Amino acid sequence: AQSVTQPDIHITVSEGASLELRCNYSYGATPYLFWYVQSPGQGLQLLLKYFSGDTLVQGIKGFEAEFKRSQSSFNLRKPSVHWSDAAEYFCAVGGTGTASKLTFGTGTRLQVTL
Amino acid sequence: EADIYQTPRYLVIGTGKKITLECSQTMGHDKMYWYQQDPGMELHLIHYSYGVNSTEKGDLSSESTVSRIRTEHFPLTLESARPSHTSQYLCASSSGGAVNEQFFGPGTRLTVL
Repeated sequence: AQSVTQPDIHITVSEGASLELRCNYSYGATPYLFWYVQSPGQGLQLLLKYFSGDTLVQGIKGFEAEFKRSQSSFNLRKPSVHWSDAAEYFCAVGGTGTASKLTFGTGTRLQVTL
Repeated sequence: EADIYQTPRYLVIGTGKKITLECSQTMGHDKMYWYQQDPGMELHLIHYSYGVNSTEKGDLSSESTVSRIRTEHFPLTLESARPSHTSQYLCASSSGGAVNEQFFGPGTRLTVL
């Protein structure tokens, strides 16, 4: 069965500081990996995705993530955080097939201090 | 920008009432999903559909039911709402391609008194 672990429930960073959110996955084959962001009271917005190829993927809002197969990780990074980045971040893993269901992690809440 | 809509955005209702949460998408996506999300918690898949007249139960057992009569419409119904149904319900859709990138609606926050 596929699973996702986000070890950090809550992270606080200062505006302008760098950010790394951790994500570890378990999947039997080559995974498709996603990072979504959720602002309070809103749905989820896709930040970036990894399907194949270059293991460093660029997303929207200045985010990037690196796929490391040997560590089963897909950590999200941003070099300089803005106050508007405060939100809940979800990592998800999925695959191909008819169902193509996604499994989400429990999320990491990011707080940005000014 | 993905076009997936959910109504109502907020609903407060009494125990025993029948409710239907609406979800519509204008992208022509074959696959649609319903997730349940409690505050500060992960998303749990409760229903999904491969296409018209196809519905399946998700990983989390739910007393709700769904239908898929039209490609663009995937409503969720609770025949008799209870306080335990209080939660946020998120609808999503994806294309029929091999890779499952899902687009989400804004969600419906349901409170059952």
